[in-house]
Amino acid sequence: SQTIHQWPATLVQPVGSPLSLECTVEGTSNPNLYWYRQAAGRGLQLLFYSVGIGQISSEVPQNLSASRPQDRQFILSSKKLLLSDSGFYLCACRDRSSTDTQYFGPGTRLTVL
Amino acid sequence: SQQGEEDPQALSIQEGENATMNCSYKTSINNLQWYRQNSGRGLVHLILIRSNEREKHSGRLRVTLDTSKKSSSLLITASRAADTASYFCATDRNNFNKFYFGSGTKLNVKP
Repeated sequence: SQTIHQWPATLVQPVGSPLSLECTVEGTSNPNLYWYRQAAGRGLQLLFYSVGIGQISSEVPQNLSASRPQDRQFILSSKKLLLSDSGFYLCACRDRSSTDTQYFGPGTRLTVL
Repeated sequence: SQQGEEDPQALSIQEGENATMNCSYKTSINNLQWYRQNSGRGLVHLILIRSNEREKHSGRLRVTLDTSKKSSSLLITASRAADTASYFCATDRNNFNKFYFGSGTKLNVKP
């Protein structure tokens, strides 16, 4: 089964600073990849998804961007963080060849001060 | 925007009791999934039910799906303190590439 790695686990950044969160996947090839954000005590908001290298779909207009430079690597970035970017960021993958199940990484807790 | 809406938002029960959580959604779907999240952790997949299925079991979990009412329920039988977590439903809105999550039900099982 798939294993999703995310780093860092926690991050505290000042407003206006850049951001780079990385997600890598093991145990599958050509997966769909997803970035979600979860506000405290809330559900997950789908931010981006990717069906292949270089293919990114954005779900909501925002201060963030995503890239997929390799098949099993998904990066979430920002040039200038806002206070509202604080949250819990989760990467997920879906193996299209087997099931519709999504597998989630451990998440990154981002605090923007 | 979120697709599913779970209710109740919070549920507190005694160990050994059954816990029932509900999920409603707005558009047609291919499948509906339930996930569990322990505090501060990633989500763990529990069970998937397809739009042509009405009921599914996995261990102490029972999921039902009523596509005419656009609703699903998750039943956890004989709950344990270790079941304490938030539970989310997710739907795909007939798009195999995207999943939409509800706000979740926070379950507290008291020992």
